[in-house]
Amino acid sequence: EAGVAQSPRYKIIEKRQSVAFWCNPISGHATLYWYQQILGQGPKLLIQFQNNGVVDDSQLPKDRFSAERLKGVDSTLKIQPAKLEDSAVYLCASSLQGEYNSPLHFGNGTRLTVT
Amino acid sequence: GNSVTQMEGPVTLSEEAFLTINCTYTATGYPSLFWYVQYPGEGLQLLLKATKADDKGSNKGFEATYRKETTSFHLEKGSVQVSDSAVYFCVPGANNLFFGTGTRLTVIP
Repeated sequence: EAGVAQSPRYKIIEKRQSVAFWCNPISGHATLYWYQQILGQGPKLLIQFQNNGVVDDSQLPKDRFSAERLKGVDSTLKIQPAKLEDSAVYLCASSLQGEYNSPLHFGNGTRLTVT
Repeated sequence: GNSVTQMEGPVTLSEEAFLTINCTYTATGYPSLFWYVQYPGEGLQLLLKATKADDKGSNKGFEATYRKETTSFHLEKGSVQVSDSAVYFCVPGANNLFFGTGTRLTVIP
């Protein structure tokens, strides 16, 4: 099966600019996650979707971050405006069901550098 | 909410040494437990899982047993290889999976 696809692979922007990341989950996976992984740290959940609805966005900095999954498949994560501390790898993951027994399948991530 | 206490790294071992990475968890109910691995320059991937008490997950020579009485899910491997060098994350399953900082393992020839 095809894995979780993410693009772009790398992105370099200046602070205060905008950036968007795209994710295409594994076909049939209802649950989609965006994580932020700062160098040397574990991934931190930003937002979780179940189909096209938001399950948890409690750690999403909503003043600058937004995410959508309009048709319950692809998702985009946007940062506007970016700050230096947003430099990180942004990981998208999907699972068959958002329940205890379903493992996550991760994409390769987008490495963002804010200068 | 769910959380884990995972053995801090970095851990450096010689090839063929025995590996244990300790993990204890705090969780509501009895969620599935997972070990994920992140190889250098690669994305996270599932290493193994256990869905209920006394289950043993295994993959690639790694094993972990779901111990309800000690709330632990320690990762073990009898003989590590250089290719096992990676960061390992113990994760209790939940609707918002919690990842700690992980344990970095370096295996030297």
